Amino acid sequence: SYELTQPPSVSVSPGQTARITCSADVLAKQYAFWYQLKPGQAPVLVMYKDTERPSGIPERFSGSSSGTTVTLTISGVQAEDEADYYCQSPDNSALWVFGGGTKLTVL
Amino acid sequence: QVQLVESGGGVVQPGGSLRLSCVASGFTFNNYGMHWVRRAPGKGLQWVTFIRFDGSKKYYTDSVKGRFTISRDNSKNTLYLQMNRLRPEDTAVYYCAKDSAEAEFEYWGQGTRVTVSA
Repeated sequence: SYELTQPPSVSVSPGQTARITCSADVLAKQYAFWYQLKPGQAPVLVMYKDTERPSGIPERFSGSSSGTTVTLTISGVQAEDEADYYCQSPDNSALWVFGGGTKLTVL
Repeated sequence: QVQLVESGGGVVQPGGSLRLSCVASGFTFNNYGMHWVRRAPGKGLQWVTFIRFDGSKKYYTDSVKGRFTISRDNSKNTLYLQMNRLRPEDTAVYYCAKDSAEAEFEYWGQGTRVTVSA
């Protein structure tokens, strides 16, 4: 198994760009997925296969990958984007690993 | 639209048991694998267990092996998690999630809270 490393927190003002990173050697070979968690709500998939945005997710959400780091970018952050964000990548031994999570605060 | 509704959570003493259920709708349940994922208070997401679409394969995280059992009833569109010998560290919100070819946790339920405390 392996660890996916995320910053514990990211803070931005409304309208700015938030970038949340996720790092692990395995990400050079495996896709990453991103999930948004808000209190009392069902988690939501916001990005899959590094860069693909599910239908219904606003265009301000985008994903990128470079080597062993993937990045979830939220352009023009809105107050409603305040949430915890988790990256995830499959393990070849049929286990599923999540990053430690990043709390996005909109100032 | 896809809906996943968990139930069965509650407060239980250490060593006790609970059975969680997840009723699925809006998709062909017997075509997809299903997961349970949990989030303990103040902690991050932890994958717990997975079952293939037909129940033929099951996988567990090490900390629940031998204590938790995942199962499904495709005739009832329902996923289960039987939790035995519960420990305080099993305290968490438990979510069921639908697998897919595109994303392993494509849709999630709102979760059910399990508290293990004397």
